[in-house]
Amino acid sequence: DADVTQTPRNRITKTGKRIMLECSQTKGHDRMYWYRQDPGLGLQLIYYSFDVKDINKGEISDGYSVSRQAQAKFSLSLESAIPNQTALYFCATSDDHRQFFGPGTRLTVL
Amino acid sequence: GENVEQHPSTLSVQEGDSAVIKCTYSDSASNYFPWYKQELGKGPQLIIDIRSNVGEKKDQRIAVTLNKTAKHFSLHITETQPEDSAVYFCAASTGGFKTIFGAGTRLFVKA
Repeated sequence: DADVTQTPRNRITKTGKRIMLECSQTKGHDRMYWYRQDPGLGLQLIYYSFDVKDINKGEISDGYSVSRQAQAKFSLSLESAIPNQTALYFCATSDDHRQFFGPGTRLTVL
Repeated sequence: GENVEQHPSTLSVQEGDSAVIKCTYSDSASNYFPWYKQELGKGPQLIIDIRSNVGEKKDQRIAVTLNKTAKHFSLHITETQPEDSAVYFCAASTGGFKTIFGAGTRLFVKA
């Protein structure tokens, strides 16, 4: 079984809709991250969490929110989706420096 | 702000040849340099990493070198195989949450 799972894997939605992307991990790591990947660009950090009570904004947090329901679960929400949020979204976990990524969610906002 | 530049953006080699991808970082406090391989439809996977107190590290056909003075680090893949075809990302980290990724190199290995 995969150590980091993301659901859904693909999602098409319309402008203005609320969307939630979910991430679960079985690695037992305290640190979890949400990244966005656009074509030709590297990964940009949206939010990160060092434990259930510690959530922090990354470099591109505007338009996004997160929830850390448990050590193993970290969800990303788009309260009102807009077309320029169309991208690949990755969840990751880490113990110290090393990050382990999920398979990604491809989100399309029409 | 801090950034990581990665070159080339696309690299095409013949099977059996070597491939080299280079990165430059700006934050002199960076002390950890991972490389990730991303295959189509999958998330990035860590393939090798190096810490700032080490100049070179090798793992079978892949090796990474680090020049702290010049703020350069490179990935070397020898005896390339078609399954090496993927997008490769370098990154630089100062520890904690802050990891800056390069824009990626798309490697094609022609059989």
